[in-house]
Amino acid sequence: AQSVSQHNHHVILSEAASLELGCNYSYGGTVNLFWYVQYPGQHLQLLLKYFSGDPLVKGIKGFEAEFIKSKFSFNLRKPSVQWSDTAEYFCAVILYGNNRLAFGKGNQVVVIP
Amino acid sequence: NAGVTQTPKFRVLKTGQSMTLLCAQDMNHEYMYWYRQDPGMGLRLIHYSVGEGTTAKGEVPDGYNVSRLKKQNFLLGLESAAPSQTSVYFCASSYSGGAADTQYFGPGTRLTVL
Repeated sequence: AQSVSQHNHHVILSEAASLELGCNYSYGGTVNLFWYVQYPGQHLQLLLKYFSGDPLVKGIKGFEAEFIKSKFSFNLRKPSVQWSDTAEYFCAVILYGNNRLAFGKGNQVVVIP
Repeated sequence: NAGVTQTPKFRVLKTGQSMTLLCAQDMNHEYMYWYRQDPGMGLRLIHYSVGEGTTAKGEVPDGYNVSRLKKQNFLLGLESAAPSQTSVYFCASSYSGGAADTQYFGPGTRLTVL
């Protein structure tokens, strides 16, 4: 079955540490990829997205993600996290020609001051 | 421009009761979606709509009904609530529903069924 996998559901790190969250998908066709963030008590917000072109995508708040087609991956990175990055992060994939977004189970990230 | 709004924000129901969650968007989007979010499960699509007067089943439609009588509103109904429906419900909308389109989310409704 088609799926979106996110590993290491709970991540705890200190401020200024680097963050990398993995996302793998199992769709075989052309895909568009998203990372959403949900801050405590808030709704989901788009962090960044990839449709085509440069596989290294830069988003808001210093986040970036790299699409590696051969690995079916779209990993999210931030070189130096802040306490305000404490949130849940969701990877989402939509198959080209489809209209249904599939979400991973999320990564709960806690940044300790 | 309020974006996507949801009412109510919180609700507690007893098993067997019914209720309707309202989603409204002011962005003239064609597509609207209802998701449920459960711990460790991510977001799962319940139902969606590709335009006024149309609805379709998502990944977990059982126990829910929806209606899209007006383009800007998408209602989610629970006819006979069950404890398994305790969850946070998110509505979303997008302009065209295409793969290149971003979905915009509402603030969520936290529902507890006792």
